[in-house]
Amino acid sequence: DTAVSQTPKYLVTQMGNDKSIKCEQNLGHDTMYWYKQDSKKFLKIMFSYNNKELIINETVPNRFSPKSPDKAHLNLHINSLELGDSAVYFCASSHFFGGRRLFFGEGSRLTVL
Amino acid sequence: GQQLNQSPQSMFIQEGEDVSMNCTSSSIFNTWLWYKQDPGEGPVLLIALYKAGELTSNGRLTAQFGITRKDSFLNISASIPSDVGIYFCAGQLVETSGSRLTFGEGTQLTVNP
Repeated sequence: DTAVSQTPKYLVTQMGNDKSIKCEQNLGHDTMYWYKQDSKKFLKIMFSYNNKELIINETVPNRFSPKSPDKAHLNLHINSLELGDSAVYFCASSHFFGGRRLFFGEGSRLTVL
Repeated sequence: GQQLNQSPQSMFIQEGEDVSMNCTSSSIFNTWLWYKQDPGEGPVLLIALYKAGELTSNGRLTAQFGITRKDSFLNISASIPSDVGIYFCAGQLVETSGSRLTFGEGTQLTVNP
């Protein structure tokens, strides 16, 4: 019973391609997030949705477009992939926006060649 | 934005040794959290601190919320091989406009048996 699940776990693709990562949480939480973890392991927030509404949109290239069809799902679509997009992308959820405890997925490792 | 400085960046210790790591901020937080990331997994919450001066334990882990609200430390006593991983501090400032977590840069812990 995985609480926050992401697919795919690994993604290897060529520069210029478009790809999507999907995330689902079965915890009944209102808020979901996307974080990027670079090669130095630094965790940086990208987006946050609360009840399908975009709350946080950090300085992220507009090639990255999140979509939340319902509060249990938050997908990340990336257009025109670049080498610098290579990272591990983590989905997370919390009970509500401002909730202190984040539940993270296992991460999706994206490698752009 | 808020910056969190976490130190040390990495530690190599022998099994049985005690470990200490800390986090400092240029701004105040009203919550400090410590997460652990096992290899290939997402971060998991270890300890949450809600009040300046608070000292909280979770098994062999002890964490404190600094009195100035700008720092926190995490101690691990009698380390074991499964303590290996990356430890992240995170600070949260809850305001009427909302809140978000800011993560430190992580401390990579290696425990030699």
